Amino acid sequence: DVKVTQSSRYLVKRTGEKVFLECVQDMDHENMFWYRQDPGLGLRLIYFSYDVKMKEKGDIPEGYSVSREKKERFSLILESASTNQTSMYLCASSNGGSPLHFGNGTRLTVT
Amino acid sequence: ILNVEQSPQSLHVQEGDSTNFTCSFPSSNFYALHWYRWETAKSPEALFVMTLNGDEKKKGRISATLNTKEGYSYLYIKGSQPEDSATYLCAGRPSWDSNYQLIWGAGTKLIIKP
Repeated sequence: DVKVTQSSRYLVKRTGEKVFLECVQDMDHENMFWYRQDPGLGLRLIYFSYDVKMKEKGDIPEGYSVSREKKERFSLILESASTNQTSMYLCASSNGGSPLHFGNGTRLTVT
Repeated sequence: ILNVEQSPQSLHVQEGDSTNFTCSFPSSNFYALHWYRWETAKSPEALFVMTLNGDEKKKGRISATLNTKEGYSYLYIKGSQPEDSATYLCAGRPSWDSNYQLIWGAGTKLIIKP
């Protein structure tokens, strides 16, 4: 089975801190994604990557950046955390149009 | 742009009863529809990917149908069990070469009452 591992289940950070969310997948998937999920809204795509060192902005990239130096790892970076970035963050991977495989999520609270 | 709507937002169902809920999307600019189940404290899990009008897929007590002409998909659960309690997400893929962009509904939260 594909395993997508997110480094932290819960994180509490202060406003202005730089935050790193790490995601690793073990099935050699080409595509990796970062979403955030907020109550009452569908998953919103922050960034995705279809290859090493490649990245594309999703629907809500402002305030975020990403890094994909190795195929299996996709990192989401909050350069200067703000309270409106308090959310559940989900990482996912896939090949082509196959279903997404998700990590367990990181619930980030920015105070 | 594809907008995906799910209804109802939440649903309470008695254990043993069957239930269904809806995912709707614009019928134009459609390529595929995904259904996922997201249980509390777990990761979302893919249930079905459907592309053809009239498609019907089944996984145990859960099945789904797709009507691309009128722009909706139904998810059915037969004989609901407590382990069916979850949020059910649908997502539309808007074009054949859009491998990356899924447009998500807000989900239907299903609670099974014992």
